[in-house]
Amino acid sequence: TQLLEQSPQFLSIQEGENLTVYCNSSSVFSSLQWYRQEPGEGPVLLVTVVTGGEVKKLKRLTFQFGDARKDSSLHITAAQPGDTGLYLCAGASSGDKLTFGTGTRLAVRP
Amino acid sequence: GAGVSQSPSNKVTEKGKDVELRCDPISGHTALYWYRQSLGQGLEFLIYFQGNSAPDKSGLPSDRFSAERTGGSVSTLTIQRTQQEDSAVYLCASGVNNEQFFGPGTRLTVL
Repeated sequence: TQLLEQSPQFLSIQEGENLTVYCNSSSVFSSLQWYRQEPGEGPVLLVTVVTGGEVKKLKRLTFQFGDARKDSSLHITAAQPGDTGLYLCAGASSGDKLTFGTGTRLAVRP
Repeated sequence: GAGVSQSPSNKVTEKGKDVELRCDPISGHTALYWYRQSLGQGLEFLIYFQGNSAPDKSGLPSDRFSAERTGGSVSTLTIQRTQQEDSAVYLCASGVNNEQFFGPGTRLTVL
């Protein structure tokens, strides 16, 4: 069974601070995605990374895929209250099926 | 444009009753997925439909759970003889090229 462990599980920070969320597995994935979910809604796709070592930036968010394609990180610079939510990583291996991570709940205090 | 819709948004039922949850995917998406999410945690895969292929049912927790997808579009997830541990948010997603687009979910509460 493929597992994706995220850390930290919970994170509460002040507006303006930086943070990093980690997504780790012992399995290799062909691609990895990050989603953000707000209360009462379904997850929304933020980014897909497909190449080992790949770095993608989305405004204040930086996503990195590990060289061995087993892990990923999400770094947020100067966090804002609007970044509050549940962040989920998800790895793709065979076909179109995704394995979701355990989730990181982020709260950004104004 | 229209996204994935799910109905009902909330369902309260009594233990032992059957429930049906509906998912309307994005038009043209060949893949459809059902997940279960408890208390804002990660997503637990339930079942996956891809085109006309046999569905991947490997995530269904028991034989009380079943799902069908009619005409390659609308899907229904059925839970028979519901138990309190079935209480969760049930999320549907449709997708193409490994990208999944989620509906808002159905919150199921079994009393």
